[in-house]
Amino acid sequence: GAGVSQSPRYKVAKRGQDVALRCDPISGHVSLFWYQQALGQGPEFLTYFQNEAQLDKSGLPSDRFSAERTGGSVSTLTIQRTQREDSAVYLCASSPWTGESSPLHFGNGTRLTVT
Amino acid sequence: QQQVKQSPQSLIVQKGGISIINCAYENTAFDYFPWYQQFPGKGPALLIAIRPDVSEKKEGRFTISFNKSAKQFSLHIMDSQPGDSATYFCAATSNDYKLSFGAGTTVTVRA
Repeated sequence: GAGVSQSPRYKVAKRGQDVALRCDPISGHVSLFWYQQALGQGPEFLTYFQNEAQLDKSGLPSDRFSAERTGGSVSTLTIQRTQREDSAVYLCASSPWTGESSPLHFGNGTRLTVT
Repeated sequence: QQQVKQSPQSLIVQKGGISIINCAYENTAFDYFPWYQQFPGKGPALLIAIRPDVSEKKEGRFTISFNKSAKQFSLHIMDSQPGDSATYFCAATSNDYKLSFGAGTTVTVRA
């Protein structure tokens, strides 16, 4: 697999349920990002990992959102007690090194619908 | 709030025509400006990027023009093809990682 892989591709959750979204970055990529993309909008930054360390979580909308990256590889974004406003596409991206010119490689996202 | 304002929201161009998308920003600390292309159901893919010390950058049929004093930059797609039909996002960053995206422009190229 040459690209960033995200699962599940689609997730429907009832309001109040917890969901876990998985990201498998490109092997060897140092940096990992999560973005939230509402319908018809550009992606909004959620959080950033450098290897295992979560260096910035300033974009997480509330304390119901959390993320981790185990072993500097796979990452999981968890949303507790989902609300309807959490419905969006959640995009994971990885890049080979740190620095603004390091190219972001996005996955195809997980579309979350909260009913 | 949106740190990068993008226009138009959508545009239609004939095959072979020129598509022009404009972006404006206020944060003078921004120093790297990438453009991303997104097809339905896919994640964004990096298309081309520019730094403010350069006024123009061209890669194939895609050209970025940058006006530092006006705090504006634009993407020109020359000789537009049906395969260019996608949503395009401008973005900007002032640090190592956090990108601020525009709201996107949906381009439709009519054959």
